[in-house]
Amino acid sequence: AQSVAQPEDQVNVAEGNPLTVKCTYSVSGNPYLFWYVQYPNRGLQFLLKYITGDNLVKGSYGFEAEFNKSQTSFHLKKPSALVSDSALYFCAVILSMDSNYQLIWGAGTKLIIKP
Amino acid sequence: NAGVMQNPRHLVRRRGQEARLRCSPMKGHSHVYWYRQLPEEGLKFMVYLQKENIIDESGMPKERFSAEFPKEGPSILRIQQVVRGDSAAYFCASSRGLAGVGETQYFGPGTRLLVL
Repeated sequence: AQSVAQPEDQVNVAEGNPLTVKCTYSVSGNPYLFWYVQYPNRGLQFLLKYITGDNLVKGSYGFEAEFNKSQTSFHLKKPSALVSDSALYFCAVILSMDSNYQLIWGAGTKLIIKP
Repeated sequence: NAGVMQNPRHLVRRRGQEARLRCSPMKGHSHVYWYRQLPEEGLKFMVYLQKENIIDESGMPKERFSAEFPKEGPSILRIQQVVRGDSAAYFCASSRGLAGVGETQYFGPGTRLLVL
């Protein structure tokens, strides 16, 4: 079955330290990969995506993610965490871009940045 | 416990017609979110509603689009006088409590709107 896994329910990082939020996928074909963030009392916001090309993708708020085909991973990273990065982060995969594409979501990871 | 339900799954409209998209949240969920997905782009947040209230509509176009979540019945996303640029997949999600505070959103299968 097609699936997306975020193995950590919660990640705790001290402010100023690098952060990583993990995402792995199990799908057939070539996936299109996305990261979204949800702040308290708000809807999801798009952070970044990988469609094709360079495996290292840079997105909003200083975040980046690296597509690793051999490890089927798309981990979200930031070199120096801010307290304001505390939020829920969701990884998602789209299997194709035609009219019948499927959107598969990870369960989400709660990121807590401590001052 | 049934998941988030959306209907119709596919909707075809001609320019100028109205489109009504319905979303029934999971049982026990009183918070609903609507998103639009455009080809090769990510989800774009449109509106966040709690029963009978709009919490955040910062992503909603100012004209032709409206949303409601009545005390009884599904949430409705209404698009008046549709144009071709409205063609997209519209996803609904629901959560038990306030978004982003440890509450997970659960997504419906989406409604694919095609405007001819």
